[in-house]
Amino acid sequence: KAGVTQTPRYLIKTRGQQVTLSCSPISGHRSVSWYQQTPGQGLQFLFEYFSETQRNKGNFPGRFSGRQFSNSRSEMNVSTLELGDSALYLCASSYLARETDTQYFGPGTRLTVL
Amino acid sequence: QKEVEQNSGPLSVPEGAIASLNCTYSDRGSQSFFWYRQYSGKSPELIMFIYSNGDKEDGRFTAQLNKASQYVSLLIRDSQPSDSATYLCAVRGRSQGNLIFGKGTKLSVKP
Repeated sequence: KAGVTQTPRYLIKTRGQQVTLSCSPISGHRSVSWYQQTPGQGLQFLFEYFSETQRNKGNFPGRFSGRQFSNSRSEMNVSTLELGDSALYLCASSYLARETDTQYFGPGTRLTVL
Repeated sequence: QKEVEQNSGPLSVPEGAIASLNCTYSDRGSQSFFWYRQYSGKSPELIMFIYSNGDKEDGRFTAQLNKASQYVSLLIRDSQPSDSATYLCAVRGRSQGNLIFGKGTKLSVKP
């Protein structure tokens, strides 16, 4: 089975721009979660989607948004980019959204904001 | 604020030794516990998960969970240089989809 895929793998943007990141979960997985990873803060939860509905949201400003499509693919969008948004953005998928379901991570998108 | 704490390390062990990685969590309602390994420049890779008190073994890895003490650990037996990585502890609470991660412990296995 193919793993979680994320596109693009690398992005360079300037402050004020917006960006859209894409995630395709493992086939059959219906839950997708997004995380931001920075050296200082570690891995922080952004949001979780299940069956096209946002189930949970982390403590990030409204500039961060996401959605999930009927085929379980997910996108996240960051508007009005700031320097501090430079990070590795990781998508993880799981079969369902039960507490015992394991999450499998994609390779990540490295975003650099100049 | 639900928290997961890990020693940042680096933890250095000689090849062949047992590496012991520890994690504490603040939310008593936490139900599921995961260990991920992350090599530099790569994404986290699942190593172990544990739901019940006690030990769970998988090859050279043993996860230990003590819910009363809110403590979960990972033992790596016969450590190899290829085990050198950052180990992330993650916890999921009841009815909570997202994982809460510790900041990771960097392990270095010296040949």
